[in-house]
Amino acid sequence: DIQMTQSPSSLSASVGDRVTITCRASQRLTSYLNWYQQQPGKAPKLLIFAASSLQRGVPPRFSGSGSGTDFTLTISSLQPEDFATYFCQQSYNTPYTFGQGTKLEIK
Amino acid sequence: EVQLVESGGGLVKPGRSLRVSCTGSGFTFGAYAMSWFRQAPGKGLEWVGFIRSKANGGTTEYAASVKGRFTISRDDSKRIAYLQMNSLKTEDTAVYYCARQTVYAVDNWFDPWGQGTLVSVSS
Repeated sequence: DIQMTQSPSSLSASVGDRVTITCRASQRLTSYLNWYQQQPGKAPKLLIFAASSLQRGVPPRFSGSGSGTDFTLTISSLQPEDFATYFCQQSYNTPYTFGQGTKLEIK
Repeated sequence: EVQLVESGGGLVKPGRSLRVSCTGSGFTFGAYAMSWFRQAPGKGLEWVGFIRSKANGGTTEYAASVKGRFTISRDDSKRIAYLQMNSLKTEDTAVYYCARQTVYAVDNWFDPWGQGTLVSVSS
């Protein structure tokens, strides 16, 4: 199975900050990497697919980059509704595995 | 609006069975693969399995942790995907989510997700 490692596991930031979350895969994925946001008690929401494609309806302050084994999710200017947990997921092959999550908290 | 709604969760004893359902609306249900995921309390996300569209054979794939115990099926006329769970274990306790799976070439992404249904396995 492909192992996905996210860092950091948690992050404190302020409204307006720029934040970056990284995800590393145990083998090359080309660009088969998705990012999700999960609010407490809610279902995950797709933000980015194919490493850098913004899902329809997602604000452009979210962006994704990377290929191969190293990927990043960047939020350019944090808004109050962005404080949540973020997961990366590889879709290169089954089983589709997730990173352990990054909890973004208000400083 | 594209929407998925899960139902059928509940409390079940170890070794028993349970079937949860996922009803889709707002899109051509039969044209999409459908995936199931789960999230144990306070834990991360785990892919459970998926079923391809009938046009792509309607075949299934499963995570090793559930293979042989769980079965995914679909009834496109009713716009429902099912997750049949047999021989349940306490470690299967989780919120179960279904998600629409978009397949483009060899890439896959999952959107939207249903609200989830809680399955608790306990004696």
